[in-house]
Amino acid sequence: ETGVTQTPRHLVMGMTNKKSLKCEQHLGHNAMYWYKQSAKKPLELMFVYSLEERVENNSVPSRFSPECPNSSHLFLHLHTLQPEDSALYLCASSQEGLGRETQYFGPGTRLLVL
Amino acid sequence: AQSVTQLDSHVSVSEGTPVLLRCNYSSSYSPSLFWYVQHPNKGLQLLLKYTSAATLVKGINGFEAEFKKSETSFHLTKPSAHMSDAAEYFCVVITGGSYIPTFGRGTSLIVHP
Repeated sequence: ETGVTQTPRHLVMGMTNKKSLKCEQHLGHNAMYWYKQSAKKPLELMFVYSLEERVENNSVPSRFSPECPNSSHLFLHLHTLQPEDSALYLCASSQEGLGRETQYFGPGTRLLVL
Repeated sequence: AQSVTQLDSHVSVSEGTPVLLRCNYSSSYSPSLFWYVQHPNKGLQLLLKYTSAATLVKGINGFEAEFKKSETSFHLTKPSAHMSDAAEYFCVVITGGSYIPTFGRGTSLIVHP
């Protein structure tokens, strides 16, 4: 495996379900990110982790709960989502999380909430 | 504060003709600027970035961009479009000292044979 991988690639869930998205980076980076990409809207940064510590929570509803057990893995736990949460969720990583760095993106998880 | 405006939601060119994707930014000081490309069903990939070195930045696949502070622009160009360039392109700004990027809405590049 190389780069940044995300599983599952597609997910359909009901509003009462609980599911988790997984991201893994094989680049030896120390920072990881979750983004939301909705149709017709700019990418929205959701969470930033640097050295497994959350450094940014960009006003994200509590129905989204991130977890970063180590610098290679990042999870996004989902519960009681709304239809408007349907989107492509992208994970990214960078060397240190210092802003001016290149971010390396995974292919995303396309989420549909019914 | 920072913001970025991609002036065209769609750009259509013929294969072999030049490409121009426009981006204007606003940043309180010392911005870093990036262009990313996203092909269908793929994640974003860095094309090039400006971080206060040379103002003309060369990237992958023949793309380049010029940082113009006086015009607050960072337009992306390529001399000759290829069919494989058809994708969504995003301009990104990060203000110095911040780690929060601001993405533009994207420009869809369509390449006709």
